[in-house]
Amino acid sequence: DTEVTQTPKHLVMGMTNKKSLKCEQHMGHRAMYWYKQKAKKPPELMFVYSYEKLSINESVPSRFSPECPNSSLLNLHLHALQPEDSALYLCASSPTRLAGGADTQYFGPGTRLTVL
Amino acid sequence: AQSVAQPEDQVNVAEGNPLTVKCTYSVSGNPYLFWYVQYPNRGLQFLLKYITGDNLVKGSYGFEAEFNKSQTSFHLKKPSALVSDSALYFCAVRDTGTNAGKSTFGDGTTLTVKP
Repeated sequence: DTEVTQTPKHLVMGMTNKKSLKCEQHMGHRAMYWYKQKAKKPPELMFVYSYEKLSINESVPSRFSPECPNSSLLNLHLHALQPEDSALYLCASSPTRLAGGADTQYFGPGTRLTVL
Repeated sequence: AQSVAQPEDQVNVAEGNPLTVKCTYSVSGNPYLFWYVQYPNRGLQFLLKYITGDNLVKGSYGFEAEFNKSQTSFHLKKPSALVSDSALYFCAVRDTGTNAGKSTFGDGTTLTVKP
């Protein structure tokens, strides 16, 4: 299985809602990533988990809360979002960050989030 | 600091013609270089990467890229373009020095292949 899956594909939420995005991979990868991507722009790194521990937080607002319950799963909990948070949220995984940066990242299809 | 430049927002080629999508980079150490493609409403798909060794890297779907250290470039090429190659292409770099493991992406180049 060489796939990263993400659910849901689309999500519409109000500014007072709480929702979660889910990412799953079964490639045995030990690094997982969340990116935010606006239309026709490059992905912006949000969080990196390495061996189920948060290793990079790119100064993301606290209304985004990541969680890595096990080596195959990555969640992004959303609360009190703003309309400007509307974007495509991409999950990625790679064998390990400890390989000196040569790892290939494998991306999921993304969740299209709209905040009303 | 590491950075990537994709100098062309848009590249148009006719089907069957060769294509080139340009990428230049800046790193303090040695670079790891990647090309990804993104189709509409999809995630990024890995095409190829340069780590070390042969400067000509061959990847998926007939794409290749040439690493040129003196020009700090890593241009993506394909000998004969297909309409289905039309997509958004991103070059990415990781510095093996201080920023190892953290990718910097270029702004992307939209490739349009016309029949």
